[in-house]
Amino acid sequence: NAGVTQTPKFRILKIGQSMTLQCTQDMNHNYMYWYRQDPGMGLKLIYYSVGAGITDKGEVPNGYNVSRSTTEDFPLRLELAAPSQTSVYFCASSLGYNSPLHFGNGTRLTVT
Amino acid sequence: DQQVKQNSPSLSVQEGRISILNCDYTNSMFDYFLWYKKYPAEGPTFLISISSIKDKNEDGRFTVFLNKSAKHLSLHIVPSQPGDSAVYFCAASARTSGTYKYIFGTGTRLKVLA
Repeated sequence: NAGVTQTPKFRILKIGQSMTLQCTQDMNHNYMYWYRQDPGMGLKLIYYSVGAGITDKGEVPNGYNVSRSTTEDFPLRLELAAPSQTSVYFCASSLGYNSPLHFGNGTRLTVT
Repeated sequence: DQQVKQNSPSLSVQEGRISILNCDYTNSMFDYFLWYKKYPAEGPTFLISISSIKDKNEDGRFTVFLNKSAKHLSLHIVPSQPGDSAVYFCAASARTSGTYKYIFGTGTRLKVLA
């Protein structure tokens, strides 16, 4: 029972590089979310999706892009990495209204 | 604008005693509230939730209380166990424009002393 799977677990990027954080879920959830957690801080919503082909911005979308071509996958793209994007990134999914989020184990990203 | 606030960054409690974690919110449109537990190097794990039509929800050792007039919720853990030591996040959501997103507080680190 995999749930929400995130890859990679760790990554170090140089300033200006790009990368894609992968997220896939096997629970057939329509809602998917990307959060970031900075040290000592809460979770900030980057982007979310209510279904395949539909995405919307969260609280901190600048510097990121997402796509949702299938129900299962919700990749997060960083185009020009900056030190301010050093964080732990969590992907989550939900059945929908009044349902809890199920989180992956995160991707720890360092930009130097 | 921090819509969900956890004003206590940390809390220490003796094993067997009650742990009370607090959370305040500002948006009166929030109608679903959740608590999550997070261990280091893991993703947050769902603990318990409450809908705005209720004022209390229990699940084993965990009880969540909601005071809508004060815009305040709390999580009670009784009895506290060393394995409960973790960071606890509260979260709230509101349905707006047909979509649904969750806003998290900054977390409270609970340490249960054996």
